[in-house]
Amino acid sequence: GAVVSQHPSRVICKSGTSVKIECRSLDFQATTMFWYRQFPKQSLMLMATSNEGSKATYEQGVEKDKFLINHASLTLSTLTVTSAHPEDSSFYICSARYPFVDQPQHFGDGTRLSIL
Amino acid sequence: SQQGEEDPQALSIQEGENATMNCSYKTSINNLQWYRQNSGRGLVHLILIRSNEREKHSGRLRVTLDTSKKSSSLLITASRAADTASYFCATDGDRGSTLGRLYFGRGTQLTVWP
Repeated sequence: GAVVSQHPSRVICKSGTSVKIECRSLDFQATTMFWYRQFPKQSLMLMATSNEGSKATYEQGVEKDKFLINHASLTLSTLTVTSAHPEDSSFYICSARYPFVDQPQHFGDGTRLSIL
Repeated sequence: SQQGEEDPQALSIQEGENATMNCSYKTSINNLQWYRQNSGRGLVHLILIRSNEREKHSGRLRVTLDTSKKSSSLLITASRAADTASYFCATDGDRGSTLGRLYFGRGTQLTVWP
């Protein structure tokens, strides 16, 4: 079964709307989760590292105020795309892993965000 | 950048044939991982190979790792139409990296024709 659950799977909304995406680790406590963005036919681009109980670490070029990350519990991280515009339309994926050495990442099923 | 490079970018084969994908990376690693992504879905983990391992098998999958050349290969034997997907390699960086952070290659789009 799924180890990481991501919701919603698809969002279509008007420009200017804020959209929240949830990522939950189902089997374990994840002190760290990762948020990626993926454009069509391209690889995953790491946006930020979500740290439980502290501020997220954003990659260069990712706007902190645009992509708000909250990791308030050991099993839940949320990504909020604030005042979304058409250029924010993309596929967003989260991941987490068991906190041991040499463990793979477990990915959510992604969220397809379409801003009209 | 630690990001890996994969080749080929696209591979098209007939069912029953073998598919080989290659991955190169730039820095030292703890391990290298291969993932599969079906269109519009999340990534599914296939195999993790540690830096002190040279070869690993899982069903029809065979992964090799050559740390001296900083390269890895994924072989899918007796391919099936259901193997059609994008395949990504990812490296788990060395001690200076954020724990668990992966560096992804660009991926290989595999199409297997029935």
